[in-house]
Amino acid sequence: EVQLVESGGGLVQPGGSLRLSCAASGFTYSSYWMTWVRQAPGKGLEWVANINLDGSENYYVDSVKGRFTISRDNAKKSLYLQMNSLRAEDTAVYYCAREPRFDLWGRGTLVTVSS
Amino acid sequence: DIQMTQSPSSLSASAGDRVTITCRASQNISSYLNWYQQKPGKAPKLLIYAASSLQSGVPSRFSGSGSGTDFTLTINSLQPEDFATYYCQQSYSTPYTFGQGTKLEIK
Repeated sequence: EVQLVESGGGLVQPGGSLRLSCAASGFTYSSYWMTWVRQAPGKGLEWVANINLDGSENYYVDSVKGRFTISRDNAKKSLYLQMNSLRAEDTAVYYCAREPRFDLWGRGTLVTVSS
Repeated sequence: DIQMTQSPSSLSASAGDRVTITCRASQNISSYLNWYQQKPGKAPKLLIYAASSLQSGVPSRFSGSGSGTDFTLTINSLQPEDFATYYCQQSYSTPYTFGQGTKLEIK
């Protein structure tokens, strides 16, 4: 089955770190750019970061630059988001998605930043 | 960054109606425009890509048009399952910004 499954979310204190994972299956993962999108509770969608086929190129929204790092492991068919120096405003459901059409999304994983 | 402005923010309609949602980009994005449907607690679902191409499996009552800065999503003959929130997104340049969403509610 063609799918993406996120994991790694949870409750973390402000200033803490968390690493999200996204496991891909059912398609040639190494042939696609991948992206992270987040959605704060009751809010709209926000694109966070993306990464190219071999992980050598990546882009971030300004609000996470210097704090978040996107990476991938094509052998494991996995995408990652290392999140450091977390803030309350990073609280959201985080989705991974497949580019260029954004036609495949995971179900999301909830990150809550709170003391 | 490219700003995406959707209108209206909310919309009430009845089953069988035809509705149109608009999305305006702050600069020319050619046809790099996607439309999504999202239901509560679910991931977004791609409806339209490249401004006017219907994603596989999406009913033909959904259609998209436009290029440059002005785009529309049209839903013909609304069905009960179409009541949801709709988002546009530009994929012309990063950060790939979304519109603020349009909540389609039952009248």
